[in-house]
Amino acid sequence: AAGVIQSPRHLIKEKRETATLKCYPIPRHDTVYWYQQGPGQDPQFLISFYEKMQSDKGSIPDRFSAQQFSDYHSELNMSSLELGDSALYFCASSLGSLSYEQYFGPGTRLTVT
Amino acid sequence: DAKTTQPNSMESNEEEPVHLPCNHSTISGTDYIHWYRQLPSQGPEYVIHGLTSNVNNRMASLAIAEDRKSSTLILHRATLRDAAVYYCILSSGSARQLTFGSGTQLTVLP
Repeated sequence: AAGVIQSPRHLIKEKRETATLKCYPIPRHDTVYWYQQGPGQDPQFLISFYEKMQSDKGSIPDRFSAQQFSDYHSELNMSSLELGDSALYFCASSLGSLSYEQYFGPGTRLTVT
Repeated sequence: DAKTTQPNSMESNEEEPVHLPCNHSTISGTDYIHWYRQLPSQGPEYVIHGLTSNVNNRMASLAIAEDRKSSTLILHRATLRDAAVYYCILSSGSARQLTFGSGTQLTVLP
């Protein structure tokens, strides 16, 4: 079965640079969630979208923005990168905004040097 | 938000049942109980969820106490591939984002 696709899988950036992470949800899934998992930490919710509209917002820095496109894929844009942004970024998708089952992608490992 | 408390770590022998406990004494009537697990170097994986009644699926069973202040995830026959961090998560109302706590690191011994 098709799973959530994230690209790139690995990304190395320097401080103050920008990065764009992409997420392609499972076909027919209309809801996307973004989570950040720092080294040795548990995943933290950043932001979610349902039908191309932002539905919930968590601990997402103002330097980050995200959107969901008409084909339901989502992009997380990160600017003025800091060393502390180094983390695994997971995208998850679900069918409908009321579904309790989220399917996670393999993650993008961002390293900021 | 209601909080969950889980043991930091547990060990189990391969092919034996595993009971992973979770305390949520401040749970509200509309809070669902979710379990996710995260295998090493992978994204979290949905395991099971429930509200009041016990639930079974192909992966596990969820036993919910009558007062709903605790629940237990049951893996009926642990395999080495079940070694992971298991998260017990509550969600309420229309919110669907997951708030991960510390979880239980399950080690399965051959």
